Amino acid sequence: KNQVEQSPQSLIILEGKNCTLQCNYTVSPFSNLRWYKQDTGRGPVSLTIMTFSENTKSNGRYTATLDADTKQSSLHITASQLSDSASYICVVSADSNYQLIWGAGTKLIIKP
Amino acid sequence: DAGVTQSPTHLIKTRGQQVTLRCSPKSGHDTVSWYQQALGQGPQFIFQYYEEEERQRGNFPDRFSGHQFPNYSSELNVNALLLGDSALYLCASSLDRERSPLHFGNGTRLTVT
Repeated sequence: KNQVEQSPQSLIILEGKNCTLQCNYTVSPFSNLRWYKQDTGRGPVSLTIMTFSENTKSNGRYTATLDADTKQSSLHITASQLSDSASYICVVSADSNYQLIWGAGTKLIIKP
Repeated sequence: DAGVTQSPTHLIKTRGQQVTLRCSPKSGHDTVSWYQQALGQGPQFIFQYYEEEERQRGNFPDRFSGHQFPNYSSELNVNALLLGDSALYLCASSLDRERSPLHFGNGTRLTVT
């Protein structure tokens, strides 16, 4: 069964600190992996999209990595800011009909 | 350049009623997808429309139906509302390309009482 699992479920860190969120998937065949940021009560916003051949991609202070062999991805946030408080969702695209499999997200809280 | 717009933003309905939610895609986008998001959960895929036809469908009952118009805007209809239908309904638009990122609206918060 195609699944995407994220950890931790929630995370609290102090402003200015770095953090890493994890995503493990069992999706086959694999097309691409996406990270989205969702503020409370808002729609998700795309951060990165990576294909099989890409093992790292950055978007400002956000850096995503992908290990297609172990089917793991991580999202690293550098020098966190209060505005980074949000849910971060990992999404994997299967190769069939562009089907997207969504993780449940990691809720990140940044404290001043 | 307007992004994805959804209406209404909030809606309260009674069990058994019917509801219609609306979505205007980002300019230039031809594909519209609908998602249901329960509190604390990731979005669940309902269906996707392209060229005015339902192209893919998630694991939702026939009470959930949709439509896409020639201008690419879309509607989501839910009949015989249940309490469990209370959720945030998200519309996402994209280009008809495999790596095209989804652009989401801010959703319609539906409460069924």
